[in-house]
Amino acid sequence: GDSVTQMEGPVTLSEEAFLTINCTYTATGYPSLFWYVQYPGEGLQLLLKATKADDKGSNKGFEATYRKETTSFHLEKGSVQVSDSAVYFCALSDRDSWGKLQFGAGTQVVVTP
Amino acid sequence: NAGVTQTPKFRILKIGQSMTLQCTQDMNHNYMYWYRQDPGMGLKLIYYSVGAGITDKGEVPNGYNVSRSTTEDFPLRLELAAPSQTSVYFCASSQPEGVYEQYFGPGTRLTVT
Repeated sequence: GDSVTQMEGPVTLSEEAFLTINCTYTATGYPSLFWYVQYPGEGLQLLLKATKADDKGSNKGFEATYRKETTSFHLEKGSVQVSDSAVYFCALSDRDSWGKLQFGAGTQVVVTP
Repeated sequence: NAGVTQTPKFRILKIGQSMTLQCTQDMNHNYMYWYRQDPGMGLKLIYYSVGAGITDKGEVPNGYNVSRSTTEDFPLRLELAAPSQTSVYFCASSQPEGVYEQYFGPGTRLTVT
């Protein structure tokens, strides 16, 4: 079945550092890919998405590119802020699957001043 | 627009008790989902619904039941609570358009002792 693997956390960074969170997936078809973010005590929010190969999703300074050849969707941000401290989830949704999401385990990011 | 609301926020149950987790959305979304989030793990789909009167099992449905009598409401019922059901429960909704972006509620933290 489909699966998502993302790097384990916690990832601890200083403010203004570069952030990368690796995400790879296994899927039989051509899924849509997502990054969701969960701030402390809150539900998940969609951060960015990509629906086909070579698409780049971007939002709030974060970017991720849908790489079909490497089945990856790595999340990057050039200069993190303390407010980016959160748990980040990579997820996929197969076409014709009623929008059901398959999540990775999540990566906690801690940004220190 | 309240989005997706969940009640209660917290609950402690004794083994064998039952309860209903409430979920309501005001976005007129057709699709709704229940996930559980265990520590250090991603979200797992419990049940989902594609419209009033239509529900189906997700990845981890055992010990739970759902109903969908209206578009707005999608309650999750726990019968005979067990310690393995200690988790954080998230409800989400989406519209069957584009990439089915899911909107999440704030979650219910349930402890079974």
